[in-house]
Amino acid sequence: LAKTTQPISMDSYEGQEVNITCSHNNIATNDYITWYQQFPSQGPRFIIQGYKTKVTNEVASLFIPADRKSSTLSLPRVSLSDTAVYYCLVGTSNTGKLIFGQGTTLQVKP
Amino acid sequence: GAVVSQHPSWVICKSGTSVKIECRSLDFQATTMFWYRQFPKQSLMLMATSNEGSKATYEQGVEKDKFLINHASLTLSTLTVTSAHPEDSSFYICSASRTGGFTGELFFGEGSRLTVL
Repeated sequence: LAKTTQPISMDSYEGQEVNITCSHNNIATNDYITWYQQFPSQGPRFIIQGYKTKVTNEVASLFIPADRKSSTLSLPRVSLSDTAVYYCLVGTSNTGKLIFGQGTTLQVKP
Repeated sequence: GAVVSQHPSWVICKSGTSVKIECRSLDFQATTMFWYRQFPKQSLMLMATSNEGSKATYEQGVEKDKFLINHASLTLSTLTVTSAHPEDSSFYICSASRTGGFTGELFFGEGSRLTVL
């Protein structure tokens, strides 16, 4: 399973766009990239998933370059409630087995 | 989205006792479920993969006799922490993928906080 590297923490202010980049140099051909959000004392929640190029849903966008060795989660206009830990995971679509990295703690300030 | 429920949400027990945590997929069938543990301010650590109707697959370093996993039906997996000790105190989280293929989205339970006195 590919290892991921993310910044340990990030700070932002309400209303700003936040971009969190994840490195996954050893990503395999059939691996997908998935991002999860976790609040304290809760299970992670799915945010977005992609394979290549750009994916957008109602809460975020995911940018994946052609070499797929990195990905960037973009959160538009964050609010205080977006303060959480964000995990980038890379894994095959066959088994659901995912290994969590350290994650990025995002602190949104007023 | 699909719902995964864990019970209990929190439990306090005495050292030496066993504790069972349930993980249920409420509105879908899950051939495979996963158990994680998480210490404060740390990431989730995968403990084992629970397969319906067969033995669980444990990650390296996880004692299978300490953490008993049973996946007796397509909607229920249980984790039993046997002879619990204070160092077993942690946040335990389960996840499940739908039967019929992994779509890329795992559904996580709310987590169960175990405190061993």
